[in-house]
Amino acid sequence: AQTVTQSQPEMSVQEAETVTLSCTYDTSESNYYLFWYKQPPSRQMILVIRQEAYKQQNATENRFSVNFQKAAKSFSLKISDSQLGDTAMYFCAFKNTGNQFYFGTGTSLTVIP
Amino acid sequence: ETGVTQSPTHLIKTRGQQVTLRCSSQSGHNTVSWYQQALGQGPQFIFQYYREEENGRGNFPPRFSGLQFPNYSSELNVNALELDDSALYLCASSLASSISTDTQYFGPGTRLTVL
Repeated sequence: AQTVTQSQPEMSVQEAETVTLSCTYDTSESNYYLFWYKQPPSRQMILVIRQEAYKQQNATENRFSVNFQKAAKSFSLKISDSQLGDTAMYFCAFKNTGNQFYFGTGTSLTVIP
Repeated sequence: ETGVTQSPTHLIKTRGQQVTLRCSSQSGHNTVSWYQQALGQGPQFIFQYYREEENGRGNFPPRFSGLQFPNYSSELNVNALELDDSALYLCASSLASSISTDTQYFGPGTRLTVL
């Protein structure tokens, strides 16, 4: 069975600083997708960034980038130049070839002015 | 916002009852997934529908069932409600081929309380 682990329940960062959120996963499959989702307080979950396992190059979306280590089954999210609007719950998620999705328990990020 | 809507926003039921939750996908999206999110937890995958057929299922009992309609709206039905079914139910739509699933767009959720 696939599992996704986020070992940091809560984190905080000063505005304009950089923060890294950790995620590890367990799977025996070689082809899969990884995602980071953001869930602001009382608002809809939105996709932050995605990574296909067959791509070695780390995905980047503006201030958001990932460090994908396939052998270590690690998928961390780096947020650069943190902004107040980045305050949210962040979920790491995994999708297998059977179209099943697995989410971690989330990391609550607070950006401090 | 994502263009995905869900109804109702909140719902209160009693144990043993049945409930139907509804989701309207983003225009043109042919795939919908449903999730259960307990308080303080990550979403748990219930199932996914692609072109009106179930296309993947998580570890949920058969009393959780779904439908997807030709206009790509969908329903989640839960029979014989239990107290542990109290949660936020999320739907997410995407545009998928038979090969891969594209980005999911989540709705705001339906908060179900079972008393």
